[in-house]
Amino acid sequence: DAGVTQSPTHLIKTRGQHVTLRCSPISGHKSVSWYQQVLGQGPQFIFQYYEKEERGRGNFPDRFSARQFPNYSSELNVNALLLGDSALYLCASSLGGDTQYFGPGTRLTVL
Amino acid sequence: AQSVTQPDIHITVSEGASLELRCNYSYGATPYLFWYVQSPGQGLQLLLKYFSGDTLVQGIKGFEAEFKRSQSSFNLRKPSVHWSDAAEYFCAVGVVSEKLTFGTGTRLTIIP
Repeated sequence: DAGVTQSPTHLIKTRGQHVTLRCSPISGHKSVSWYQQVLGQGPQFIFQYYEKEERGRGNFPDRFSARQFPNYSSELNVNALLLGDSALYLCASSLGGDTQYFGPGTRLTVL
Repeated sequence: AQSVTQPDIHITVSEGASLELRCNYSYGATPYLFWYVQSPGQGLQLLLKYFSGDTLVQGIKGFEAEFKRSQSSFNLRKPSVHWSDAAEYFCAVGVVSEKLTFGTGTRLTIIP
């Protein structure tokens, strides 16, 4: 079975631009969570979606938004990019109330 | 708010030696507890988890962890490390399993 997949693998943007990151969960998983991992730190929770509804939001500005589609895939959107948004963005999926499995991440560089 | 402390930023161990990585958490009740491993440029792989029950948890790759409520700790152990164990290790806690708070990680280096 395929694991969690994320696209793109790498992305370079400039300050002020907008970015969309995509995540496909493990088949049958209905929960998707997003994390930001800045270099040298642990992942930080951004959002959780379950059955297309937002179930949790971390301490991130409104420039960050997400959604989940009927097939349970998800997008993370970041507007007005700042240099500090440069990070590895991780997506994780679960059945719901169970263990999360992480994807390989999208490396975002903001210049 | 919950928090996780991994007091060791970097640990160096000889191949074949034993390993213990420390993790302390702060939370009012017993949260879900996890250890994940991350190789350079990769995502996170689950090593083991504790939800309830037996406080000694067995995981993959020969790792185990022990939950100690009195010490608010969930330390990771392995009796004999292999060169392939070199990686970054993260302890995580959560009230629910999908909204985790991670520690800052411990980088493990293995020397021959």
